[in-house]
Amino acid sequence: AQKVTQAQTEISVVEKEDVTLDCVYETRDTTYYLFWYKQPPSGELVFLIRRNSFDEQNEISGRYSWNFQKSTSSFNFTITASQVVDSAVYFCALSEARYGGSQGNLIFGKGTKLSVKP
Amino acid sequence: IAGITQAPTSQILAAGRRMTLRCTQDMRHNAMYWYRQDLGLGLRLIHYSNTAGTTGKGEVPDGYSVSRANTDDFPLTLASAVPSQTSVYFCASSPGLAGEQFFGPGTRLTVL
Repeated sequence: AQKVTQAQTEISVVEKEDVTLDCVYETRDTTYYLFWYKQPPSGELVFLIRRNSFDEQNEISGRYSWNFQKSTSSFNFTITASQVVDSAVYFCALSEARYGGSQGNLIFGKGTKLSVKP
Repeated sequence: IAGITQAPTSQILAAGRRMTLRCTQDMRHNAMYWYRQDLGLGLRLIHYSNTAGTTGKGEVPDGYSVSRANTDDFPLTLASAVPSQTSVYFCASSPGLAGEQFFGPGTRLTVL
């Protein structure tokens, strides 16, 4: 069965600290996609990144970086030099490239609430 | 309209009443989804539609129905609301298989 686990329920850091949000997934498919979404206090869901299962290259976007390791079924998210505006709930999600049934619905982890204090 | 819109923004509803949550997208995406978000549970899929004219059940479909008469609209109906359906409901759309999903702003529903 597909499953996404975000073991960290809440994390609190002080501004400028680096923080890593963990994500572990389970799937039997060889083709799948991983996502990270941000949900700020205003409530909307903001797409951050999509990664397919054949691309294990790490990605960096400004202060954000993602480490995808198939060997450990993990897709961790690091924020460097955190800022107060990074305070949000972050969701990791899995989508399988299946044909028939639901094409690409997201299976979400329960989220990690990040609080960045000044 | 830009992206996905949902209506109403919030609603308080008496148990037993019928309610339809509206979702409209202007991106001509084939796939659309309804999720509910509950504290500590993340987001869970209620129903989905791969293309206009087709729908399917997600993880938590009981008590909900959907229709997809055209590409743009994907309403979610609660036939007889119960307090356990108190939640924040998000509609999403995607251009295709396992593509990025774009989310609406959500509807906060309280059933008393």
